[in-house]
Order: sequence, then structure tokens, then C-alpha cells
Amino acid sequence: DQQVKQNSPSLSVQEGRISILNCDYTNSMFDYFLWYKKYPAEGPTFLISISSIKDKNEDGRFTVFLNKSAKHLSLHIVPSQPGDSAVYFCAASASSSASKIIFGSGTRLSIRP
Amino acid sequence: NAGVMQNPRHLVRRRGQEARLRCSPMKGHSHVYWYRQLPEEGLKFMVYLQKENIIDESGMPKERFSAEFPKEGPSILRIQQVVRGDSAAYFCASSTYGTGASGANVLTFGAGSRLTVL
Repeated sequence: DQQVKQNSPSLSVQEGRISILNCDYTNSMFDYFLWYKKYPAEGPTFLISISSIKDKNEDGRFTVFLNKSAKHLSLHIVPSQPGDSAVYFCAASASSSASKIIFGSGTRLSIRP
Repeated sequence: NAGVMQNPRHLVRRRGQEARLRCSPMKGHSHVYWYRQLPEEGLKFMVYLQKENIIDESGMPKERFSAEFPKEGPSILRIQQVVRGDSAAYFCASSTYGTGASGANVLTFGAGSRLTVL
């Protein structure tokens, strides 16, 4: 039972354009959502998070949007840079059970010149 | 200020042997999590521990797998009688938060230990 789903295994975007990564969830108890970035042979690193009381959180080139009614969130990266090429994981947790953070299967983003 | 340290980075075992993976959390972090990433898959939660306590082991296979986080020393993930299906990258993460904390529970991950079972 996949509670956090990233339906696009890969995405290719031209440098300088916007990258949009999508994530859907099924558990309505989730109230915190996070995005992690992972390079090969390294551990995931935290990028940005959002709580369910907000619908948008911005940090530099990265913006996360949350649509609670659709149980959908997205990560926007603009402008996309070559160093953004990595695997991006969406993750979610419920504050009632913050110990278990559920990750999606990841989307491999490739930024082409 | 070292981050989360995992060792070994690579471990090769034959079927039936034991694998021990170690994790030292970030300084000041008292919560440790283990995740497993099978080839071409996402990160699967295995277990969450605090010092000397297993808080949530709902993601651990019922047999052959165990985890501990002793009062002194690193957290250990132990896999007995390994099989080929155990081949994966095992990631440890730590945080300052735990169950019921307010705010997002941001995990800091180690670089992972890649287990290969021959």
C-alpha cells in the first residue's frame, strides 16, 4: 500500500526552464510534507518542507505547493540548473506519528543544456 | 561537525552469513531511523529508535533483522543469515525530533551502506 506516490520515474528539463515534480498521497492524516534530493552514492539531503496549514512554501529557487483537497503536492524549481540533476523524493508524516516518515519512489530529474 | 556516519560503506556477504551495519547519529541527535532502498525503488522505513529503546519497528521484517541503539556507541542494524534479496542500500538518519513533535521532522541521512549478498 503506497501512501506516497511519485508517478513519474523520470523527468528531463532544459536548463533555465522550470522543473515541476509531482507527488500524491492517500493518507489524510499526513500533515507534514518534505522533499529530499539524492545524488548517486550519497544519502538524501533535505530540500524544503511544508505543513498542511499552508499551501505554499518558497526557498530561493525551490517552491513547494500543497493542494490538500486533491492530496497532491508539487516541487517547482526555477530556473533549473545542471546541479539540480538528481533523484527527488517526496515524503510525508503525520504529527501523531512523526516517527514514521513515508517516502515516495522518487523522480529522476535530468537537466539538459 | 560530522554528519551521520555509516560504516561500512560497502559490505559483501555470502548467503547465510551475518551483516552488521553501524550508524553514528549527528551530534545532539537522539533519534535514529533506518531505511532500506532496493534497486530502482524508493526508501522504505524499517525502524525508529531512541537510546536503548525501539520506538517503531513496523517496517522491519519479522525474521532475521534486528536493530539496537545502545546507551553508548552507534546504532546497529543486524541481518542474520542473509539472502540475495537483502542486497540493498541501507540508510541511517537521525533527528532531534520524535513522535508528536511539532513542525516537520527533518531527517539528516548518512551516505548509506550498500550490502551485496553473493
